[in-house]
This record gives sequence, structure tokens and C-alpha cells, in this order.
Amino acid sequence: DAGVIQSPRHEVTEMGQEVTLRCKPISGHNSLFWYRQTMMRGLELLIYFNNNVPIDDSGMPEDRFSAKMPNASFSTLKIQPSEPRDSAVYFCASTEGGAYEQYFGPGTRLTVT
Amino acid sequence: GNSVTQMEGPVTLSEEAFLTINCTYTATGYPSLFWYVQYPGEGLQLLLKATKADDKGSNKGFEATYRKETTSFHLEKGSVQVSDSAVYFCALRSDTGRRALTFGSGTRLQVQP
Repeated sequence: DAGVIQSPRHEVTEMGQEVTLRCKPISGHNSLFWYRQTMMRGLELLIYFNNNVPIDDSGMPEDRFSAKMPNASFSTLKIQPSEPRDSAVYFCASTEGGAYEQYFGPGTRLTVT
Repeated sequence: GNSVTQMEGPVTLSEEAFLTINCTYTATGYPSLFWYVQYPGEGLQLLLKATKADDKGSNKGFEATYRKETTSFHLEKGSVQVSDSAVYFCALRSDTGRRALTFGSGTRLQVQP
């Protein structure tokens, strides 16, 4: 299996621009998670989906952030407009049914200047 | 709410030294506990897990025992190698509803030859 795929791996953008991060979970996994990693706050859950439905978005920082999962094999995390404090590594993870293990993608390093 | 506390890093050891990274948790019910490892520039990988009290998770020479009486899940390895240099995250998953992981702040391990 290819594992969780994220794109792009690196993104540099200017403040105010729209940023879209993409994730393809492992085939057959029905839960998908978006995390953000920063030096100051560590790893934080932003949102997670179960069977393509958002279950918990309490970690989404503000209305500038939105996430979608239009089908079982694709999810996006969008930031509009982006700000320098959004600079972080964003990870996507997926898991299967009642399994405990989450499988992480390689992450997208976002830099907003 | 749930929380995970890890010892501050970095931990610097010589090759073949004994490793302990402390982890304690706060959670209701009977959470599952995990150690994840993050190598430079990569996503998190599951290292080991334990799903009930007194379980011992083990992998690649690493071990951790789920101690409910002390709410701890300390990571140990008898003889570290340079290739073990990475950041180690302790995490828990509640047994009630929320599937997302709660992570500790991470402990950086540096092994010197």
C-alpha cells in the first residue's frame, strides 16, 4: 500500500493568499484526521471525519480554516486568507473502522510570509 | 479532559546506553496508549501500543507497559543506536467516543556514536 499521501510537501505563500492542502487516505480506511504541528503548541487535532462526515471540528482555529471530504479517497484543508501564524506542518492521518492505530502522511510544511 | 505529559528533552545518550522516556496521562475510563516516533522530515510512525492495563507493547527493542495504578506508559530500550535518534511522542485514545489521539509534547532523543 502507498500509505497516506499528502500534497504538496512544501508550500510557501504570502499572507492573504488561499492555501489548499490535500490528503489521500489509505484505501479502506474510513476515518481521516487533520493535525497541525508547531514548536509552540505541539501536535493538535484540527478536525476528523468518519465515513466522510465531519465528526469533531472543535480544533479548527477559526473560520479561515475549512475542511472537506467529498469522497472516501480525498480530503482537503483550506486556509483563506492565510496568515503568518498559520505556518506549521500539517499532517493527515487515517485509520480503519474500530482500529486503534492511525497512519500518518509525511506532512505538508506550510510557510506564510 | 484527556492529557499526556512527557519528560522534557532533548535526551542525549551514547550508543548502547539504556533509554527511558517518561510518559504519564490523565483520562477517564480505559484509554489505549501509544508511542509514535518521528524521524527528521517525516510523518509520525506507530512504534508500539497497549490497549489495556498491564499490557506491554514492544517493537524494535522498545518496550512500554500500561500502568493504570500510576497512569504511566514509560518507553524503554536496553541499548540505543544512533539510528534511534528521533522525536518520540506518547499518545492516548479515549475509549469513549472521540477517536482522535491526544499527544504529548514529544521528546527528542539524540544518540551519539
